[in-house]
Amino acid sequence: GAVVSQHPSRVICKSGTSVKIECRSLDFQATTMFWYRQFPKQSLMLMATSNEGSKATYEQGVEKDKFLINHASLTLSTLTVTSAHPEDSSFYICSAALTSGSDIQYFGAGTRLSVL
Amino acid sequence: AQSVSQHNHHVILSEAASLELGCNYSYGGTVNLFWYVQYPGQHLQLLLKYFSGDPLVKGIKGFEAEFIKSKFSFNLRKPSVQWSDTAEYFCAVKTGGFKTIFGAGTRLFVKA
Repeated sequence: GAVVSQHPSRVICKSGTSVKIECRSLDFQATTMFWYRQFPKQSLMLMATSNEGSKATYEQGVEKDKFLINHASLTLSTLTVTSAHPEDSSFYICSAALTSGSDIQYFGAGTRLSVL
Repeated sequence: AQSVSQHNHHVILSEAASLELGCNYSYGGTVNLFWYVQYPGQHLQLLLKYFSGDPLVKGIKGFEAEFIKSKFSFNLRKPSVQWSDTAEYFCAVKTGGFKTIFGAGTRLFVKA
């Protein structure tokens, strides 16, 4: 089946630093990738939809300058949390869809970000 | 606003018990429906999906779900759970466009 690799799985950083999270589709090309944030005991909240070669589409309330998304190739999307603060601490999950119209998503393992 | 509601946050069952996890959504148009599962320490993965046709869909590991359009529901069932079914289960709904909305998840613990 389709495999999505997300790295790192866990990161601890100081307040004010930036953190980059990578999401790779290992055995397929992903036209569309999604970035989610999950708070404890809550559902996955979509942050943005990333299409290869174009700007990401951010959900309402998500700061574009805070959460920079780059989808430079069909197998890689990155999420950079800029100037991270403790309130950015969360679990971030990426997923990838085979085609722009595909409804099935393949998920990465997630990244636990802790900002001190 | 579109939403997905999962009725139980935590469910504890003994092995061989029957399982039903509720899922309701709020959207009046055409939907694609999913159940995803996350086993401890693993990725979220697709358990089953409904796009069209027979409203009773079968997924992996003996799970099935029934789409009842009039009730806006897509409940997940399994006749006899196993210890290995311990996981978190997410109901998800996709309406128009690329956005999929997830429920809050149900943590299932099966006692051996």
